[in-house]
Amino acid sequence: LAKTTQPISMDSYEGQEVNITCSHNNIATNDYITWYQQFPSQGPRFIIQGYKTKVTNEVASLFIPADRKSSTLSLPRVSLSDTAVYYCLVGDGYSTLTFGKGTMLLVSP
Amino acid sequence: DTGVSQNPRHKITKRGQNVTFRCDPISEHNRLYWYRQTLGQGPEFLTYFQNEAQLEKSRLLSDRFSAERPKGSFSTLEIQRTEQGDSAMYLCASSRSGTSGGARETQYFGPGTRLLVL
Repeated sequence: LAKTTQPISMDSYEGQEVNITCSHNNIATNDYITWYQQFPSQGPRFIIQGYKTKVTNEVASLFIPADRKSSTLSLPRVSLSDTAVYYCLVGDGYSTLTFGKGTMLLVSP
Repeated sequence: DTGVSQNPRHKITKRGQNVTFRCDPISEHNRLYWYRQTLGQGPEFLTYFQNEAQLEKSRLLSDRFSAERPKGSFSTLEIQRTEQGDSAMYLCASSRSGTSGGARETQYFGPGTRLLVL
């Protein structure tokens, strides 16, 4: 299972765009990249998933370069309610999820 | 809302007691997962079911832990002779396997059961 590395924490202000980068140098051909968000005392919530290039949904965008050794989660115009832990996971989608410690994003007024 | 539900949301028990948690997955999901999460860490996989069959168990799942999913619907996780080290958030997730077109199955998590062992 590919291991991921992401910053432990990030700070931002309301209205700014936040980019969280995740490194996954050993990603396998069949692996997808998935991001989850977790608020305190709640279960993780699926945000976005991609395999290559760019994926966008109503919440975020996911940028994946051609070599797929990293990915960047982009949150446009964050608000205070985006303060949470963000997890980057890599896997083939047919096995269990392996979470790291995630990135604690703190959005300030 | 037909998301994953877990009961109870909180449980306080004394060391040595047995506890049981329940998870009700999204109705059409055939896979059900249990995770454990301690403070400052990401969730750690414990076990998962496909329908009623328990297909994988983590080495974290000691013999004091047992999980069942009778009839492939809800699941229970029981911890016998609880220890203080069992204090954690226990998360349940469900997914639907067998999606076509190469799409990766997505796991949907419940709100968790927070266990405190005194």
